[in-house]
Amino acid sequence: AQRVTQPEKLLSVFKGAPVELKCNYSYSGSPELFWYVQYSRQRLQLLLRHISRESIKGFTADLNKGETSFHLKKPFAQEEDSAMYYCALSSLNFGNEKLTFGTGTRLTIIP
Amino acid sequence: DSGVTQTPKHLITATGQRVTLRCSPRSGDLSVYWYQQSLDQGLQFLIQYYNGEERAKGNILERFSAQQFPDLHSELNLSSLELGDSALYFCASSVDPGLANKEQFFGPGTRLTVL
Repeated sequence: AQRVTQPEKLLSVFKGAPVELKCNYSYSGSPELFWYVQYSRQRLQLLLRHISRESIKGFTADLNKGETSFHLKKPFAQEEDSAMYYCALSSLNFGNEKLTFGTGTRLTIIP
Repeated sequence: DSGVTQTPKHLITATGQRVTLRCSPRSGDLSVYWYQQSLDQGLQFLIQYYNGEERAKGNILERFSAQQFPDLHSELNLSSLELGDSALYFCASSVDPGLANKEQFFGPGTRLTVL
């Protein structure tokens, strides 16, 4: 069974401080991990995926298979980063593309 | 708007009733996914359709059913509604789930309130 855990429901960080949103997963096969973000009054949208190894809006996330983690990090928080963040997992196998989401972390950047 | 659209935005109904939620995917997307978001729970996968056929099923109740039509829009039917069915229902679409790029594009959601 697929499971994604985001231990923090709420996280407040001062502007300019580093941010780390935690995500742990359990999955027996080969997972593909994503971070989705929902800004106020906007749709849920993809922020980044582990397969791309990209940095989006200053955020990065590294898949650690040993610790089964995919934590989201940003060195210097900005006010516009305030949003709801969801970690999600999908199978790499064709035919099983559903996303399993964590319960989300609401990030608030304090000016 | 060439993104995913969902109608209606809000729906208020009574217990025991039946409702239909509608979703139109992005132009060119063949796959449609339905998710339910209740209070205190994350998004729960309900069901996926690909080019008109059911592809995957999640924790979808027997009272719920869905289909994808030849024009690729999808409908989620919820019947014998209970108070606990009150939630946000999201639809998402993707181009071809078999590709490496599996980004799902989400609609704005339909908020269902069962009184």
